[in-house]
Amino acid sequence: DGGITQSPKYLFRKEGQNVTLSCEQNLNHDAMYWYRQDPGQGLRLIYYSQIVNDFQKGDIAEGYSVSREKKESFPLTVTSAQKNPTAFYLCASSPTGYPQHFGDGTRLSIL
Amino acid sequence: GNSVTQMEGPVTLSEEAFLTINCTYTATGYPSLFWYVQYPGEGLQLLLKATKADDKGSNKGFEATYRKETTSFHLEKGSVQVSDSAVYFCARVLIQGAQKLVFGQGTRLTINP
Repeated sequence: DGGITQSPKYLFRKEGQNVTLSCEQNLNHDAMYWYRQDPGQGLRLIYYSQIVNDFQKGDIAEGYSVSREKKESFPLTVTSAQKNPTAFYLCASSPTGYPQHFGDGTRLSIL
Repeated sequence: GNSVTQMEGPVTLSEEAFLTINCTYTATGYPSLFWYVQYPGEGLQLLLKATKADDKGSNKGFEATYRKETTSFHLEKGSVQVSDSAVYFCARVLIQGAQKLVFGQGTRLTINP
């Protein structure tokens, strides 16, 4: 079945550590996105990519980095510069001009 | 501005009640509008969409009409079920083509049997 796979489902980070969240899609979608969701709030866009080897900052890119070396993959690194990383992270993808499909998310917590 | 405002939750209803969740947007022009639903511990699922004024999106008994006069896209369902308990997000496209979305803050809905 086609879909978006995020892993791991739960992730724990120590202070000062970088962690990478995985997002893979087999839907052949051109565009991919990363969102952050905090309790009781809507989604905020971190980064998005419309094509391979290209990506743009969203509204809250500071402390995060991404890469888009393959169409299927859009990993997100939460760096130690992100001072409040505890959140639910959602990856999405879409064909150009069509609605986004979401993965099941990764919950990141600080030890 | 480019924002989406939803009615504040949580909303609690009894089974078979009528549901309305309000959503209004600000925009220049007529952006595509969406309702997404998030069940506990999961990602978002597209519930319905409308791409132009006066369009009505519908799915699983839910409906929403794109009303440019009132810049609204209210979600309605005639008879809710316990399984409809979830968080509902209204969203609009910020940049057409790139499908960059702006989300409302979400409305938590609980349906009691």
